[in-house]
Amino acid sequence: QTVVTQEPSFSVSPGGTVTLTCGLSSGSVSTSNFPSWYQQTPGQPPRPLIYYTTVRSSGVPDRFSGSILGNKAALTIAGAQADDESDYYCALYVGNGFIWVFGGGTKLTVL
Amino acid sequence: EVQLAESGGGLVQPGGSLRLACAASGFNFGDYSLNWVRQAPGKGLEWVSYIRGSGSPIDYADSVKGRFTISRDNGKNSLYLQMNSLRAEDTAVYYCVRDHNYYFDFWGRGTLVSVSS
Repeated sequence: QTVVTQEPSFSVSPGGTVTLTCGLSSGSVSTSNFPSWYQQTPGQPPRPLIYYTTVRSSGVPDRFSGSILGNKAALTIAGAQADDESDYYCALYVGNGFIWVFGGGTKLTVL
Repeated sequence: EVQLAESGGGLVQPGGSLRLACAASGFNFGDYSLNWVRQAPGKGLEWVSYIRGSGSPIDYADSVKGRFTISRDNGKNSLYLQMNSLRAEDTAVYYCVRDHNYYFDFWGRGTLVSVSS
């Protein structure tokens, strides 16, 4: 069974930069996994942030960027702001049909 | 404006059944694949099922395979999820999610399914 790993929690100072990662138990993440990232605040549905590894969704500020770092997908938030405090989820397409797997999510604290 | 509105959630006993629906508007429904994604209380997101715009192919997470059935009616702009043999671990908010070529670009607000005796 494929598992997608994310840091359970992360902390960043206001104005700081943080990089969250998304790994694959079966090996390296590549662009063929179509990594995407979603932001969720309590009581709200997830909001798309990044797709196709690096493309920002409409309305997402350029403080948010996506990449492949080593063997993982990564979401970097630069100039962190208080309202960036959220849960962040990555999703990977794992093939074998039309199968997707979400990571367990990273709870980001800005303080 | 793209809108996805789920309905049909509620309280059901273990072993019971429930049918969720998702009413879509604001886009050419038949042109898009759709998914169900769920989130147990206080937990992360879990992809549940996929259906292409034409109605096939279809796919399921192992955790629901054989118990859940996804379907759609393009004439009614509606997506469905028939859930049978429900278990406590199926308790979650179920989201209807549009698939825009390998990413989830629009999400409904979700409907809560609670499985409990």
